[in-house]
Amino acid sequence: DAKTTQPPSMDCAEGRAANLPCNHSTISGNEYVYWYRQIHSQGPQYIIHGLKNNETNEMASLIITEDRKSSTLILPHATLRDTAVYYCIVLPNSSWGKLQFGAGTQVVVTP
Amino acid sequence: KAGVTQTPRYLIKTRGQQVTLSCSPISGHRSVSWYQQTPGQGLQFLFEYFSETQRNKGNFPGRFSGRQFSNSRSEMNVSTLELGDSALYLCASSLVSGSSYNEQFFGPGTRLTVL
Repeated sequence: DAKTTQPPSMDCAEGRAANLPCNHSTISGNEYVYWYRQIHSQGPQYIIHGLKNNETNEMASLIITEDRKSSTLILPHATLRDTAVYYCIVLPNSSWGKLQFGAGTQVVVTP
Repeated sequence: KAGVTQTPRYLIKTRGQQVTLSCSPISGHRSVSWYQQTPGQGLQFLFEYFSETQRNKGNFPGRFSGRQFSNSRSEMNVSTLELGDSALYLCASSLVSGSSYNEQFFGPGTRLTVL
């Protein structure tokens, strides 16, 4: 599975958009980009995933560059409840349930 | 629809003992994965079960084992507990279909403390 690089931490003001970058320069053609987050003392939560097209759901948007070497998770209007560790994971669709979590990005949303 | 449930939520054991943790997946989900989370190592994959078969396994010693029942419920067992096994053990279930293959739903975890 391709490795990912994320900044260790970032701050965001409540109500503003949070843009979380992820580098995955060794991504293969059949690998998807997944984003999960973990709020303190809870299990991780799936956010969104994509292959090469931009994706949007009720939680976030995922922008993947054309060469697929990097992506950005966008939380459009950050709230205090979005304070969490965000994980970018790259893996093939049929990974037999194995998610490889890195260190992630600690996002702190401030009032 | 009820989420993933794990029992017990907290557990205290002593070195050398064994422990069994239980996980009930979301109804209809047939894949169950287990993870260990520690401050030093982060979230690490233990193993995954589908239709009562272990399909994938992480890099953990043989003291860590698991099984899945016909109703998709899963248990994991750790024998001869060591201090380093103190961790949050997370279970996740997934539907296993199409492009949502890796959309896993996590339970709240079992906090294991080994004294």
